[in-house]
Amino acid sequence: AQSVTQLGSHVSVSEGALVLLRCNYSSSVPPYLFWYVQYPNQGLQLLLKYTTGATLVKGINGFEAEFKKSETSFHLTKPSAHMSDAAEYFCAVGSGAGKSTFGDGTTLTVKP
Amino acid sequence: DAGVTQSPTHLIKTRGQQVTLRCSPKSGHDTVSWYQQALGQGPQFIFQYYEEEERQRGNFPDRFSGHQFPNYSSELNVNALLLGDSALYLCASSFWQKNSPLHFGNGTRLTVT
Repeated sequence: AQSVTQLGSHVSVSEGALVLLRCNYSSSVPPYLFWYVQYPNQGLQLLLKYTTGATLVKGINGFEAEFKKSETSFHLTKPSAHMSDAAEYFCAVGSGAGKSTFGDGTTLTVKP
Repeated sequence: DAGVTQSPTHLIKTRGQQVTLRCSPKSGHDTVSWYQQALGQGPQFIFQYYEEEERQRGNFPDRFSGHQFPNYSSELNVNALLLGDSALYLCASSFWQKNSPLHFGNGTRLTVT
């Protein structure tokens, strides 16, 4: 069975500061990993997806994620936070077409 | 290019009633999946449809059923509603490939009283 653990249900940073959202996964097969963002009253939007062989994956809005197989981690980072980044972020591991297991999410607050 | 559309956006039902939610996938996608998102939690996989058949199912009772039509659109039906069924129901579409990311609609907020 696959699972995802997101460390820290709430993260608060100042505008311009580094954003680091943590995700650890458990998968018995090579993982299909994704990060999604959810704004209030909306569905989830894909930020980035892991591509086999890559260690650093670039996504939209300046986000990127580093895949570390030895640590089974796929942490999301952004060098400089913007007020518009405030949202909930979900890490997910795919186990088949259309089927993903999601973490419980991390709410990012950006302080001016 | 229309994305995933869901209807209705909000719904209020009484315990024991039945509800039908609808979803139109993103143009070009052939796979539709349904997820339940309770408040403060991540989406939980209900089931997925491909070629008008249910292919995989999550840990949800038979009260939850669905359908996919020839035009790839889909319905989610929930019978004998319980208070615990109150949640945001998300439809997602994708290609029938393991690494195909999900494209989500804005969801249907179901409240059971």
